[in-house]
Amino acid sequence: KAGVTQTPRYLIKTRGQQVTLSCSPISGHRSVSWYQQTPGQGLQFLFEYFSETQRNKGNFPGRFSGRQFSNSRSEMNVSTLELGDSALYLCASSQTVGAEAFFGQGTRLTVV
Amino acid sequence: KNEVEQSPQNLTAQEGEFITINCSYSVGISALHWLQQHPGGGIVSLFMLSSGKKKHGRLIATINIQEKHSSLHITASHPRDSAVYICAGGGSNYKLTFGKGTLLTVNP
Repeated sequence: KAGVTQTPRYLIKTRGQQVTLSCSPISGHRSVSWYQQTPGQGLQFLFEYFSETQRNKGNFPGRFSGRQFSNSRSEMNVSTLELGDSALYLCASSQTVGAEAFFGQGTRLTVV
Repeated sequence: KNEVEQSPQNLTAQEGEFITINCSYSVGISALHWLQQHPGGGIVSLFMLSSGKKKHGRLIATINIQEKHSSLHITASHPRDSAVYICAGGGSNYKLTFGKGTLLTVNP
């Protein structure tokens, strides 16, 4: 059974640009969560989707958005990138909300 | 507000030693996750606990709901156990709140 797949693995963007990250959950998993990891703040919750609906949202500005498709794949978008958005972005999938989460390898975003 | 406090921040052990990492959490957290992160970023879910104890190989996780405390134990530690161990609490809304992590180094 394939694990959680995140693409791309590495990304370099310029300030002001926007970026879209993709997450394919484990087959059969309907909940996808996104997290940001930085050296200063550690791991922080961004948002969670279940059945194409955003169920929970963390304390991030509106520049951070996401969506989930009918096949449970999810994307997150960051607009007007800032240097401070440089981070490892992780997604996790679970069978349902609150079940054990399985993490992808992450996308390392560098904003220059 | 859900909070998770983890200790110690850093831990160095000799191969074969018994290791304990602790996690305290606040009211509102109903499930506790233990995660492992190796250099390079990938996170592996080790355990999810809401009561009692779970064991997987040399890893044991316990949780005391009354004291709001969980521990991760590693028996017969090995250099390949070197990683960052993170505890994370999930509340009624299942938003995970993370501890700052424990950097474990096991020397041969």
